[in-house]
Amino acid sequence: NAGVTQTPKFRILKIGQSMTLQCAQDMNHNYMYWYRQDPGMGLKLIYYSVGAGITDKGEVPNGYNVSRSTTEDFPLRLELAAPSQTSVYFCASTPGDGYTFGSGTRLTVV
Amino acid sequence: AQSVAQPEDQVNVAEGNPLTVKCTYSVSGNPYLFWYVQYPNRGLQFLLKYITGDNLVKGSYGFEAEFNKSQTSFHLKKPSALVSDSALYFCAVRDGGNTPLVFGKGTRLSVIA
Repeated sequence: NAGVTQTPKFRILKIGQSMTLQCAQDMNHNYMYWYRQDPGMGLKLIYYSVGAGITDKGEVPNGYNVSRSTTEDFPLRLELAAPSQTSVYFCASTPGDGYTFGSGTRLTVV
Repeated sequence: AQSVAQPEDQVNVAEGNPLTVKCTYSVSGNPYLFWYVQYPNRGLQFLLKYITGDNLVKGSYGFEAEFNKSQTSFHLKKPSALVSDSALYFCAVRDGGNTPLVFGKGTRLSVIA
C-alpha cells in the first residue's frame, strides 16, 4: 500500500518556468489537499478537493492551479514560477478524519 | 475562522524527563484537534487526535495530549523523553464541518542525552 505518492522529490526551476507537482493516493480518499511549508511558518493551505471534479482555494492560492479529474490524482500546477514559490510542498489525503501526508517536493525557484 | 498557536518555537528537554509541547486553538463549534510529528526531510506523521470523549488522549510512541476546553488548549505530553523524539511537532485544528486542517507554526523538540 503506497499511501500518498508525490513526484518529483526535488526540483529547481528558473523564474517564469512552469511545472506540475504530482500527487497520487491509492486509499480511495475523497479529500485531498496541497500545503506549502516555509521555515517557521508552519503549513499553509494552497488548494483542496472534496472529491473528483471539485476543487476550492485555500489560504494561499495565488500563482497555483489544481485539477481533480480522478479520485486518485490531485496535481498542482505552477504557471509562472516566482522566487516566492520556493518552498516544500506537501500533498495529503483523508477519508474524513486524520490526514496521510506524502513525503513532499522541495522546490527552488532561481 | 480556525487558528492554532504554538507559543514555543523550541523546547529542550533532557532524556528521561517529562516533556510538554503547548498548543492553544480557536474554532467556532466543537474542535477536532490533532498532533503531527515531522522528522527531517520527511512528511508529517499522525500522532493522535481528539474528537470527543475523554480529555486525555493517548497516541503513538507513548505520547498523550490533554484537551482543556476552558483554556482552549491541547498540550502534547510524554512522561519520559527519548533522544529519538527530537523532531518538529505540529498542532492542528478544524471544526466539525470537515473543513481543512489549520496548522500551527510548529515546535522543534530537542531531547538531549
